[in-house]
Amino acid sequence: KAGVTQTPRYLIKTRGQQVTLSCSPISGHRSVSWYQQTPGQGLQFLFEYFSETQRNKGNFPGRFSGRQFSNSRSEMNVSTLELGDSALYLCASSARTALSGTDTQYFGPGTRLTVL
Amino acid sequence: GQNIDQPTEMTATEGAIVQINCTYQTSGFNGLFWYQQHAGEAPTFLSYNVLDGLEEKGRFSSFLSRSKGYSYLLLKELQMKDSASYLCAGNAGNMLTFGGGTRLMVKP
Repeated sequence: KAGVTQTPRYLIKTRGQQVTLSCSPISGHRSVSWYQQTPGQGLQFLFEYFSETQRNKGNFPGRFSGRQFSNSRSEMNVSTLELGDSALYLCASSARTALSGTDTQYFGPGTRLTVL
Repeated sequence: GQNIDQPTEMTATEGAIVQINCTYQTSGFNGLFWYQQHAGEAPTFLSYNVLDGLEEKGRFSSFLSRSKGYSYLLLKELQMKDSASYLCAGNAGNMLTFGGGTRLMVKP
């Protein structure tokens, strides 16, 4: 099976712009989670989508949003970019089949976003 | 809070055994994950403990004590390629809370 894929791998934006990142989960996985990784804060949970609905949300401002499509692919959007948004954005998919279920999360290679 | 603490850095010698500890301060987790992350790469899954006790997978073992809020990852017969960051993460309803990671350096 192909792993989790993310596009683009690298992105450079300027303050105030917006950005959309894409994630394709492992085939058959319906849960997609997004994480931000920075040297100072480590890996922090952004949100999870399951069957096209946001199921969990981390402690990030409303400038961070996402969505999931019927084929389980997910996109994440950051509006009005700030310098502090520079980070590695990772998505992870899991095979969990129920709202109460849990399963191993497999990570994609990430998108490295640099905000100038 | 949901703090997860692990040492920042560890150094060990090739062929040796190293134990990386992880402590957490919440009762909200229903399991603990360990991931390995090489520099510039995505985290890769190592283990998931739901029940107390030791789980062994080849050179890697992971232990969990839910009552003590404590886990460890044990790496045996260390190899140079084991130099990486090791992340423990508490799982609450498929939402992972990560520790800061332990950077392990394996020396010849």
